[in-house]
Amino acid sequence: DAMVIQNPRYQVTQFGKPVTLSCSQTLNHNVMYWYQQKSSQAPKLLFHYYDKDFNNEADTPDNFQSRRPNTSFCFLDIRSPGLGDAAMYLCATSRDTGEGEFFGPGTRLTVL
Amino acid sequence: QQQVKQSPQSLIVQKGGISIINCAYENTAFDYFPWYQQFPGKGPALLIAIRPDVSEKKEGRFTISFNKSAKQFSLHIMDSQPGDSATYFCAASNQGAQKLVFGQGTRLTINP
Repeated sequence: DAMVIQNPRYQVTQFGKPVTLSCSQTLNHNVMYWYQQKSSQAPKLLFHYYDKDFNNEADTPDNFQSRRPNTSFCFLDIRSPGLGDAAMYLCATSRDTGEGEFFGPGTRLTVL
Repeated sequence: QQQVKQSPQSLIVQKGGISIINCAYENTAFDYFPWYQQFPGKGPALLIAIRPDVSEKKEGRFTISFNKSAKQFSLHIMDSQPGDSATYFCAASNQGAQKLVFGQGTRLTINP
């Protein structure tokens, strides 16, 4: 089945220790997104790629970076995680602009 | 103008009843309106979506009603079941923006 896969599902890191979350997709969608979701809130878009073009949201902290080496994979790097970065991180893909996004299961990040 | 306002924040419905969640938007350029269902610890799943050229779309027990002049759309869940208990997000996008604008979410509880 075509899907969006995120690894790991749960990640524990220490304050200030860099962490990388990964996302892969078998849908061959050209747009990939990274969201942060905190409890009882809507997903908050961090950035997205349209093919290789990177689009950063204005309020995304510099602490968050992303890489998309090819169509199928996308990574979220948190350079120096703080306690406030503990959240669910969601990867999503879409085939085209202005249509539905398909979400992965998410990675729950805990910062100690 | 980019906001999507969703209500109510939480909703309790008896099994077999009708659940209704409402959303309102300002940006008339929006041309795609999806609803997402999210269970605890999971990523949002696309439930049903509508474009403004129709006033209603039905898929099984789920119906979207769309009022273009009022800039409002709503999700109706008929014969609500305990398994429908989840958080529901409305969203909106336009083809040029490449991204969704989410409502604040509604936590739906269906009592058996």
